[in-house]
Amino acid sequence: RKEVEQDPGPFNVPEGATVAFNCTYSNSASQSFFWYRQDCRKEPKLLMSVYSSGNEDGRFTAQLNRASQYISLLIRDSKLSDSATYLCVVNKGGSYIPTFGRGTSLIVHP
Amino acid sequence: GAVVSQHPSRVICKSGTSVKIECRSLDFQATTMFWYRQFPKKSLMLMATSNEGSKATYEQGVEKDKFLINHASLTLSTLTVTSAHPEDSSFYICSARDLRDTTNEKLFFGSGTQLSVL
Repeated sequence: RKEVEQDPGPFNVPEGATVAFNCTYSNSASQSFFWYRQDCRKEPKLLMSVYSSGNEDGRFTAQLNRASQYISLLIRDSKLSDSATYLCVVNKGGSYIPTFGRGTSLIVHP
Repeated sequence: GAVVSQHPSRVICKSGTSVKIECRSLDFQATTMFWYRQFPKKSLMLMATSNEGSKATYEQGVEKDKFLINHASLTLSTLTVTSAHPEDSSFYICSARDLRDTTNEKLFFGSGTQLSVL
C-alpha cells in the first residue's frame, strides 16, 4: 500500500459545482497534513493545513479523520481558476519528512 | 513571504554530461532542504533530504553517486545529476524549511528545473 494515496481523477466539474477529494495515508503515526495546489510544471503552493477539528478557508474546507486515516478537501462554488492538481501531503510521524500523494486533477469548465 | 530561488529553470543537455541545479533560500536559513523529481502526471517523489553540514539522506532506490547533493551553507543546496542519460529527464524541484519554524510544518518550494537529456 502506498504511503499516501489519492484518486488521480480528473474530476471534471462545471463552474459553481461543489467537489470533494479524499486522500488516505498508511502511517498511523503521521502528525501533520496539508493540501497543496500545483499548476502544470509549476511548484506546489500551500493551500491549507489540515487540523483535527477541521478548518475552513473561504470556499475550501479540509477535514481529518484519524480513525479511518484519511483527509478530505471540499471546494464549494468552483471557479475556472480552481483548475489544477491538488496534492495531499503527510508528514511522517517523528521525522517531519513530507510525503506527497500523486495528486488529484481538477478541471472546472464553463 | 519566504522565497526559494531555484535555477536553472530549464536545461537541455547531451547524454553523458553533468548538470548542477541550485536551490537558494533568499530570506531565511534552512538546515534542511528536500529534493524531489516529478515525471509527467506523477507525484513528487522524494529523492533525498539535504542537511546542512552533513551528508544527505537518500531515499531507497536513489543512487547517491548519480545524484550528488551538497548543502554547504544554511542558504544553499545543490543537486548535481552526473553523467545524465535520457531516463534522467524529469522535473526536479527543491523545498526548504525555515530554521525558525519550530513546528516543522511549512515548506517553501523552488520553481523547479525541467531537465531534458538528449
